[in-house]
Amino acid sequence: EAQVTQNPRYLITVTGKKLTVTCSQNMNHEYMSWYRQDPGLGLRQIYYSMNVEVTDKGDVPEGYKVSRKEKRNFPLILESPSPNQTSLYFCASSPGTGGISYEQYFGPGTRLTVT
Amino acid sequence: QQQVKQSPQSLIVQKGGIPIINCAYENTAFDYFPWYQQFPGKGPALLIAIRPDVSEKKEGRFTISFNKSAKQFSLHIMDSQPGDSATYFCAASIGRGSTLGRLYFGRGTQLTVWP
Repeated sequence: EAQVTQNPRYLITVTGKKLTVTCSQNMNHEYMSWYRQDPGLGLRQIYYSMNVEVTDKGDVPEGYKVSRKEKRNFPLILESPSPNQTSLYFCASSPGTGGISYEQYFGPGTRLTVT
Repeated sequence: QQQVKQSPQSLIVQKGGIPIINCAYENTAFDYFPWYQQFPGKGPALLIAIRPDVSEKKEGRFTISFNKSAKQFSLHIMDSQPGDSATYFCAASIGRGSTLGRLYFGRGTQLTVWP
């Protein structure tokens, strides 16, 4: 089944403890992206990657790192999480080429709480 | 500065009504305008999208109207059904080559369709 998977789905952690949220897609998509969703603020892009060689900042990259060493995986790293990073996180991927190159497929989300 | 402004924040219609959600943007370089639908507990899913070279696009009961000179676009849902109750997000992007670039989302509209 074609899908974007994220792990973990739920995470409660403490301030300053490094964490990684994994994202993997099995559709051979070029483009991958991370978003955070907060009530009243909608979705905001954190980082995106157009292909394995190109990664760029989105709207709210501060406090986050990403890594795109292979096409299928795009982990989100929080080196020193803070309470203001408590949010619902979504990973998404898009084909990147062809007629439907822009269609994004979202993962199920990761709810992160930082205390 | 919010790149894409969406209104209204919430909308309640009766079954069969035609809810209209509006979005406005400033950056004339945007060249891709998607709408996403999100049900509670799920990731967003692409509903319909338009490029600025057309003024209208229909897919089933969903229609995007695009006004390039006014820098506005809207989503119309014909013959709305209770199953359409969801949160809707508009977005805008500047493509980079054949792939998506950075994506800016509106803050969302929570639509409720009463039976």
